Amino acid sequence: DGGITQSPKYLFRKEGQNVTLSCEQNLNHDAMYWYRQDPGQGLRLIYYSQIVNDFQKGDIAEGYSVSREKKESFPLTVTSAQKNPTAFYLCASSILLVNTEAFFGQGTRLTVV
Amino acid sequence: DAKTTQPTSMDCAEGRAANLPCNHSTISGNEYVYWYRQIHSQGPQYIIHGLKNNETNEMASLIITEDRKSSTLILPHATLRDTAVYYCIVKGRNTDKLIFGTGTRLQVFP
Repeated sequence: DGGITQSPKYLFRKEGQNVTLSCEQNLNHDAMYWYRQDPGQGLRLIYYSQIVNDFQKGDIAEGYSVSREKKESFPLTVTSAQKNPTAFYLCASSILLVNTEAFFGQGTRLTVV
Repeated sequence: DAKTTQPTSMDCAEGRAANLPCNHSTISGNEYVYWYRQIHSQGPQYIIHGLKNNETNEMASLIITEDRKSSTLILPHATLRDTAVYYCIVKGRNTDKLIFGTGTRLQVFP
């Protein structure tokens, strides 16, 4: 089945450690996104990528980094510079510049202690 | 990107129609209106989108006013499983960015 997979579903890390969240899609989508969601809040865009080896900052990119070495993969690294990393992280993908829907993964809940 | 305004929360009785409004008064001519919903602790799910004509699919109907400054998502026969946060998003034709607001929390009660 085609879809977008995030792993793991729950992740715990100690403060000061970098952590990488995985996002893989087999939908052959060009565009991929990372969002952050805090309790009771909407989604905020961290980074997005429209093509391999290229990505753009979203509204809250500070403290995060991404890579897009393969079309199907868009990992997000939460660095120690991110002051409040505990959140729900969502990855999405869509066909590039066509008015169709984006598909979302089921999210990774990161807790930093 | 045009901004959207939605009520914070709404209630609806099971079996009745749920009408969720969205204001997007600054929408421009090439921007589409998208609706997604998010059930607690899951990824958002696409519902429907439209440009200026009303749209209907198996999940919902989208009614866009003639001036395109507002729209309404209609769930014709709400069920308990429709309890979720509903997001109205305006997206331009030439961008892939989806900018989410805080949405409307719809509670369907028995």
